[in-house]
Amino acid sequence: DTAVSQTPKYLVTQMGNDKSIKCEQNLGHDTMYWYKQDSKKFLKIMFSYNNKELIINETVPNRFSPKSPDKAHLNLHINSLELGDSAVYFCASSQRMPEKLFFGSGTQLSVL
Amino acid sequence: GENVEQHPSTLSVQEGDSAVIKCTYSDSASNYFPWYKQELGKRPQLIIDIRSNVGEKKDQRIAVTLNKTAKHFSLHITETQPEDSAVYFCAASKTSYDKVIFGPGTSLSVIP
Repeated sequence: DTAVSQTPKYLVTQMGNDKSIKCEQNLGHDTMYWYKQDSKKFLKIMFSYNNKELIINETVPNRFSPKSPDKAHLNLHINSLELGDSAVYFCASSQRMPEKLFFGSGTQLSVL
Repeated sequence: GENVEQHPSTLSVQEGDSAVIKCTYSDSASNYFPWYKQELGKRPQLIIDIRSNVGEKKDQRIAVTLNKTAKHFSLHITETQPEDSAVYFCAASKTSYDKVIFGPGTSLSVIP
């Protein structure tokens, strides 16, 4: 029974397209996150939600829009995809900030 | 904002030897320092963490030390095994709804 699950695992798309990544956690955690891991493995926080409320919004282009319909779900929608958006996107959750992060398995996004 | 540096970026050790990874942080208010291990193609997973009221913490072959005055902390792995090969990330955060900032990672290779 996966604690933090995200779909899809792989996403290959053309520049200019719009795509979404979905994330769900069954740990009962209050806080969820999106992290971006670039080709050099650097992990950078993008967004954080606590009980559906946006807590952290890093310097991310407004083409990226997170949405949390309830505290168990956090989705990421990306408009007008660019080559530089290619990366692995990890969803994560924790009981509170900052505590142990439970990461999803990641979504490998490739923009062609 | 917080900045976390990590050294070395790559580390190769013989099986059975010890490995040490060092990190420094910039924000003296940071008081939570987790370490994550990411195996190739997998998600990051917490292996150990330390809070600023503790100078050292051990868990079997893994230990972390913290020097608040110097603003640096280290991960020590003894009796390394091939399955210790991975990328290790240090991180820092303040309590109370603060983001976790990751270092750039150390790629550890344990040679059998």
